[in-house]
Amino acid sequence: GAGVSQSPSNKVTEKGKDVELRCDPISGHTALYWYRQRLGQGLEFLIYFQGNSAPDKSGLPSDRFSAERTGESVSTLTIQRTQQEDSAVYLCASSIYRVRRTGELFFGEGSRLTVL
Amino acid sequence: AQKVTQAQTEISVVEKEDVTLDCVYETRDTTYYLFWYKQPPSGELVFLIRRNSFDEQNEISGRYSWNFQKSTSSFNFTITASQVVDSAVYFCALSEAFNAGNNRKLIWGLGTSLAVNP
Repeated sequence: GAGVSQSPSNKVTEKGKDVELRCDPISGHTALYWYRQRLGQGLEFLIYFQGNSAPDKSGLPSDRFSAERTGESVSTLTIQRTQQEDSAVYLCASSIYRVRRTGELFFGEGSRLTVL
Repeated sequence: AQKVTQAQTEISVVEKEDVTLDCVYETRDTTYYLFWYKQPPSGELVFLIRRNSFDEQNEISGRYSWNFQKSTSSFNFTITASQVVDSAVYFCALSEAFNAGNNRKLIWGLGTSLAVNP
């Protein structure tokens, strides 16, 4: 499809297990973001990738969280040893990167993670 | 520090009423961008508008209009003749134009949940 694709759409896991969430950005979008949205809350920035630059990991809440991106394509967000407070919707967004200008973000539908 | 405040947590209106969603921002930068996004019940955020800090003209798109006032650091969003399909959470966001390390993360408000009742 032409939009941002995320998988799985829903994931239920047991506390202590590892989970991996995937994001396929729009082709040609060099900027990719991961956000976390807890129930009834706003968006919490996690990590930002731009081309081959070092990612901005300043939003990752703990060392249990990590993310990778291969070139300008797929990204995976990994949560190790999940805790109940990790339960949230994880949103991925991509954007065209332009110098001196912030482009609009295109969001996926999110991956809803429930940790039992 | 940058900050976006959406003071209205929830708004409920009856169809065909006009409704204004408030957004107040804080930034020390002279060049910045402001955004509005809509998050319907399906969950996917949808871009509505981007406005740069040099353009204070108000914008109208169908039933949607935006009022950007630098003097009060506000970027309010009005829906005219609201419809049930407008029911969603609306987020206001702020981004600097120039960031160290080319960081482009947006600063988001907490959102306003709008319910339009028939």
